[in-house]
Amino acid sequence: EDQVTQSPEALRLQEGESSSLNCSYTVSGLRGLFWYRQDPGKGPEFLFTLYSAGEEKEKERLKATLTKKESFLHITAPKPEDSATYLCAVHTGFTGAGSYQLTFGKGTKLSVIP
Amino acid sequence: DSGVTQTPKHLITATGQRVTLRCSPRSGDLSVYWYQQSLDQGLQFLIQYYNGEERAKGNILERFSAQQFPDLHSELNLSSLELGDSALYFCASSRTRTERGEQYFGPGTRLTVT
Repeated sequence: EDQVTQSPEALRLQEGESSSLNCSYTVSGLRGLFWYRQDPGKGPEFLFTLYSAGEEKEKERLKATLTKKESFLHITAPKPEDSATYLCAVHTGFTGAGSYQLTFGKGTKLSVIP
Repeated sequence: DSGVTQTPKHLITATGQRVTLRCSPRSGDLSVYWYQQSLDQGLQFLIQYYNGEERAKGNILERFSAQQFPDLHSELNLSSLELGDSALYFCASSRTRTERGEQYFGPGTRLTVT
C-alpha cells in the first residue's frame, strides 16, 4: 500500500527564518509528486509537480525538490502570508483494474510569526 | 479564485438521507475530480470523470455515485448518509484526462450529518 508521510505536522517560524518541509513516500512506480497549499476552509491550491529524482521547481519563496524517497519544500525568508497547510500527494498511476492511485499526506501546518 | 464553483457551501442533513453536491469546472477543463477531506483521514480521492465518462475510481463508497453532464458540470450523490460522512467535499478540474496536469480545486461543500 502506498504511504505518504509529511513532517513536521506543525511548524512555527519567525518571519525571515528559512526552513524545509519533508514529504517521504513509499510507493511502487512514482508517476508524479504534487505540492499544494491549503488555507483554512478553502480548497487546495496547486504549487508544483515533480516527475523524477533530481528535479527542482521554484516559485517566489518556495522551492521543491525530489529524490527517490522524499521531497522537500524549502521556504526561504518566509512572510506571514505564507502561513497555510502544505500538502504533498503522490501519483502512482492506474492499477490493472483502472483505479487511480493518488495518495495525499496529512500535511504540515506552517505558521509564520511577524 | 480557481474558477471552479461548488454548491452548496454548507449542507446539514440527517442520517439516512440523500444529498447532491454540484460542481462546475473551469472553462475549458474536461476532467472533474471529487475528493473528501476529513480531520482523521485527510484528503482522499473519490472519483474522476473526463468529458462525461468515468475515468478512474479511488476510495469511493458504494453509497456514493457521481456523473458528469454534457455541459461538463458534475454532481456527487451521497445516499444513506452516516455520521462518518460528515466532511468537506472538494471538486477539482483539469484540462486533460491525465493526472499529470495541474488540478484546480473549488471552495468545497461542508457536509454535516446529524
